[in-house]
Amino acid sequence: DAGVIQSPRHEVTEMGQEVTLRCKPISGHNSLFWYRQTMMRGLELLIYFNNNVPIDDSGMPEDRFSAKMPNASFSTLKIQPSEPRDSAVYFCASSLNSAGNTIYFGEGSWLTVV
Amino acid sequence: AQSVAQPEDQVNVAEGNPLTVKCTYSVSGNPYLFWYVQYPNRGLQFLLKYITGDNLVKGSYGFEAEFNKSQTSFHLKKPSALVSDSALYFCAVRGIYNQGGKLIFGQGTELSVKP
Repeated sequence: DAGVIQSPRHEVTEMGQEVTLRCKPISGHNSLFWYRQTMMRGLELLIYFNNNVPIDDSGMPEDRFSAKMPNASFSTLKIQPSEPRDSAVYFCASSLNSAGNTIYFGEGSWLTVV
Repeated sequence: AQSVAQPEDQVNVAEGNPLTVKCTYSVSGNPYLFWYVQYPNRGLQFLLKYITGDNLVKGSYGFEAEFNKSQTSFHLKKPSALVSDSALYFCAVRGIYNQGGKLIFGQGTELSVKP
């Protein structure tokens, strides 16, 4: 039973480059979340979608960050241009759209911007 | 606003002893509470949740949690700790109403179990 699938697992990129992180949610789930984890700030919600529609993007740090969900089985998080302070672990998660349902996380994309 | 707090950054326990990782919450309405565990260089794994019903919830790997409405707490417990339980533990509340369906996390508690 496939869980949430993220790619790439690790990425090292130079400052100023574009970074695209990808996520395939669990089949049948209609809510998708992007979280960022750092030592300083812990787990932060960046954006979440219900039925492919962005519901809350108030956690997106700035205009350099953008997220899309073109269909129910795919989402991207893009950073352009990237900066060293974007270095973090980015998690994608999915669930059914109900508060009592469990949210399942992918293994994360470990981003280092040098 | 809905929030959770984990008052301890780190908990140290000897193997075989009982462990408790604390969590308190603040919500309007009925709480939907979750515990997740994160092993080094891994994603978050779901342990257990409280939605309604019995205040004692049992989950994966022998963990359980007790929902206490009067104390607004949802502490994670295990009767006998294992070295392999050493990890980062997160308490979370799933937002409803104006905060939608997102998970709001505590800051995490590092559990260290020594042989």
